Amino acid sequence: GESVGLHLPTLSVQEGDNSIINCAYSNSASDYFIWYKQESGKGPQFIIDIRSNMDKRQGQRVTVLLNKTVKHLSLQIAATQPGDSAVYFCAENQGKDMRFGAGTRLTVKP
Amino acid sequence: NAGVMQNPRHLVRRRGQEARLRCSPMKGHSHVYWYRQLPEEGLKFMVYLQKENIIDESGMPKERFSAEFPKEGPSILRIQQVVRGDSAAYFCASSRVTGDTEAFFGQGTRLTVV
Repeated sequence: GESVGLHLPTLSVQEGDNSIINCAYSNSASDYFIWYKQESGKGPQFIIDIRSNMDKRQGQRVTVLLNKTVKHLSLQIAATQPGDSAVYFCAENQGKDMRFGAGTRLTVKP
Repeated sequence: NAGVMQNPRHLVRRRGQEARLRCSPMKGHSHVYWYRQLPEEGLKFMVYLQKENIIDESGMPKERFSAEFPKEGPSILRIQQVVRGDSAAYFCASSRVTGDTEAFFGQGTRLTVV
């Protein structure tokens, strides 16, 4: 759902491990979902998207899984690298505009 | 094709002054979204505009805040009589259409009210 004054949850992983970042969305009618990565001091950057007629989509080192039954989205990052350290947001398109989840801060330990 | 351009990148205003934040969408994009972000928090939706139209302003405070996206020129987010609580990063995103295509973000304007 939309972030309303929530502080970011954090996830800390060892370099080389896989990361899984989760997101719950609010609107069962949402048909398009996006994961964004935001590095410190920068705007969000598109990572990967998925439409509601799919349950899995793969990119380079990233996989997004969509479970419409429980309204859950996850982002899997394979072989996490220090450059992956950032805040990750899921966004759902509710038909007229895009709403963001609360975000997760990923920290990669060397 | 330049990305979404926001200016200024940093803006300092005294309490009671006006702040004007500008967003030039990507070429060919006619949909603009404004978001506000406090430190260590998520992106909070403010307003969604198309050229010359406000489509959804449900996230905008009822007073002091306004937005426009004229036929020519950038989208403007205007904050009148700023207060310290307005200090935040304001991000603009644009998309070609809405519904099934990604939105691209600018680098944001960091507003500090002193």
